[in-house]
Amino acid sequence: DIVMTQTPLSSPVTLGQPASISCRSSQSLVHSDGNTYLSWLQQRPGQPPRILIYKISNRFSGVPDRFSGSGAGTDFTLKISRVEAEDVGVYYCMQSKQFPLTFGGGTKVEIK
Amino acid sequence: EVQLLESGGGLVQPGGSLRLSCAASGFTFSSYAMTWVRQAPGKGLEWVSTITGGGAYYTDSVKGRFTISRDNSMDTLYLQMNSLRGEDTAIYYCATYQQLVSFAYWGQGALVTVSS
Repeated sequence: DIVMTQTPLSSPVTLGQPASISCRSSQSLVHSDGNTYLSWLQQRPGQPPRILIYKISNRFSGVPDRFSGSGAGTDFTLKISRVEAEDVGVYYCMQSKQFPLTFGGGTKVEIK
Repeated sequence: EVQLLESGGGLVQPGGSLRLSCAASGFTFSSYAMTWVRQAPGKGLEWVSTITGGGAYYTDSVKGRFTISRDNSMDTLYLQMNSLRGEDTAIYYCATYQQLVSFAYWGQGALVTVSS
């Protein structure tokens, strides 16, 4: 199974300041078809998760452009350029290269 | 508008059974693989099962106990859960699944509590 490891566990951020979350996979997420199946999801308090980013850096429909993803192979990053109050929640990376699908443990973004 | 609505959750004793349903609308249900993801109280997300055109996949801890199925004529996804254990207590979410996008659309979740 592919293990996904996120850091940090918690990220206190001042409103308007940037935030960055790292995700590392135990093996390369590059599929034989050439795609890298790494996604980022956001879960606001009391809400179901929602997809933010897929295939490393592609924003899903309706996702603000302050969210960006980058990385390659086994190391990936989600960045929020200027944190807003509505960004509070837990962020998860996940891989869909192969079954079993696996998630990182989550990073809690909170306002200082 | 895409909507996924889970039902069938509740309190069940250890060893008991429960069937979750997920009613879909707003998209061509038969064209999508579907998945169940769960979240134990205060914990992170855990993939449970996915049904694709090629078959069904399960996380190891539910193999032999849970069965995913779908009725495309009713636009409904199911999860039959047998031999339930305390560690199965969680909110169960249904979601659409595409390898490229992973989980694009989610339901609100159904709470399953396994306790005597």
